[in-house]
Amino acid sequence: EAQVTQNPRYLITVTGKKLTVTCSQNMNHEYMSWYRQDPGLGLRQIYYSMNVEVTDKGDVPEGYKVSRKEKRNFPLILESPSPNQTSLYFCASSTVSAQPGVGKNIQYFGAGTRLSVL
Amino acid sequence: AQSVAQPEDQVNVAEGNPLTVKCTYSVSGNPYLFWYVQYPNRGLQFLLKYITGDNLVKGSYGFEAEFNKSQTSFHLKKPSALVSDSALYFCAVRDGGSYIPTFGRGTSLIVHP
Repeated sequence: EAQVTQNPRYLITVTGKKLTVTCSQNMNHEYMSWYRQDPGLGLRQIYYSMNVEVTDKGDVPEGYKVSRKEKRNFPLILESPSPNQTSLYFCASSTVSAQPGVGKNIQYFGAGTRLSVL
Repeated sequence: AQSVAQPEDQVNVAEGNPLTVKCTYSVSGNPYLFWYVQYPNRGLQFLLKYITGDNLVKGSYGFEAEFNKSQTSFHLKKPSALVSDSALYFCAVRDGGSYIPTFGRGTSLIVHP
């Protein structure tokens, strides 16, 4: 089954304690990204990756790091979490294509990680 | 630069009535347009997309959307709403020359029995 898997689903932590949220996809997608979802603000992109070892900042990258050492994995790292990073986080993946074919360019999302930083 | 606007935070409709969720966009090139739905405690799910071709696009669960180039709109529609359609709906756009989509803020659809 094609899927994007995020772990953990729920996480409560304290300010300053480093954490990693994992993301893995089994569709051989080139493109992966991280979003945060906050009430009234919709989805905001944190970081994205076009392929292995190719990452770039999205709209709200401050306080986050990512890595793409393997095609299937794209972990999100919070080196020193702060309360303003309390949010719902989504990982997504898709093909990278200028072609309109069936299945192309569709984002597949993980189930989400709800993070609370105290 | 690309952007997308969903002018309504919430849309209320009675079950059995037609529904419309609005989306307008701005891109410098050819638009790739998408609708996604988010049910409570779930990730976003793809509904439909417009890349090229027929302006009326049909998608999952009986939804459709019409691409209107002159009005730069891509409104989501359904002829007869169901209570189970109640969810958060996101419109997204990307420029044909870019691989990075931009999402709207989302519209909460509430279908009353």
